[in-house]
Amino acid sequence: GENVEQHPSTLSVQEGDSAVIKCTYSDSASNYFPWYKQELGKRPQLIIDIRSNVGEKKDQRIAVTLNKTAKHFSLHITETQPEDSAVYFCAASIGGSARQLTFGSGTQLTVLP
Amino acid sequence: SQTIHQWPATLVQPVGSPLSLECTVEGTSNPNLYWYRQAAGRGLQLLFYSVGIGQISSEVPQNLSASRPQDRQFILSSKKLLLSDSGFYLCAWSVWGIDEKLFFGSGTQLSVL
Repeated sequence: GENVEQHPSTLSVQEGDSAVIKCTYSDSASNYFPWYKQELGKRPQLIIDIRSNVGEKKDQRIAVTLNKTAKHFSLHITETQPEDSAVYFCAASIGGSARQLTFGSGTQLTVLP
Repeated sequence: SQTIHQWPATLVQPVGSPLSLECTVEGTSNPNLYWYRQAAGRGLQLLFYSVGIGQISSEVPQNLSASRPQDRQFILSSKKLLLSDSGFYLCAWSVWGIDEKLFFGSGTQLSVL
């Protein structure tokens, strides 16, 4: 089955700096890669996703890049703000199916004011 | 728009007691439904998924069970809770399609004492 590894497990940045979270996947059949943000005690929320036929996708301060050859994808947050502090999860899906989603172990991002 | 309701928000139960968590989805028909568990500080573990009424697939053998008595209702149950059942339980839904997006309910924090 698919295996998704996520790094780092914790990340602290100063407000205004950029943050990068990286994930690798094992199954070359994976073709859909969502990212979720989970604030303490709350539900994970989908913040951005990318398909395997796209190399990069942006949404305001958030961007995701995908390298199919190397089988890794990354989340980039620019101009970080304290409200960006949360746990971020990457995931990979074979065939774009939600029941085939494999999640990474999460990254605790802390934005220091 | 689609919404998902999950209750209760928190639950404290003694070891050996039964469990029933309920989830309902509004604004969509024939959703795929899921139960995930998240242990403290850990990732998301898929427990069950359902593609239709009465159709349940189990991902992890345990003393939990799931049922789908109606199209938009998903129930997680246990006859006798174990200490290891403590965690944050999340219901989720998706709809068939390309890049099937997964959306989570607000979660139930279960503490088994």
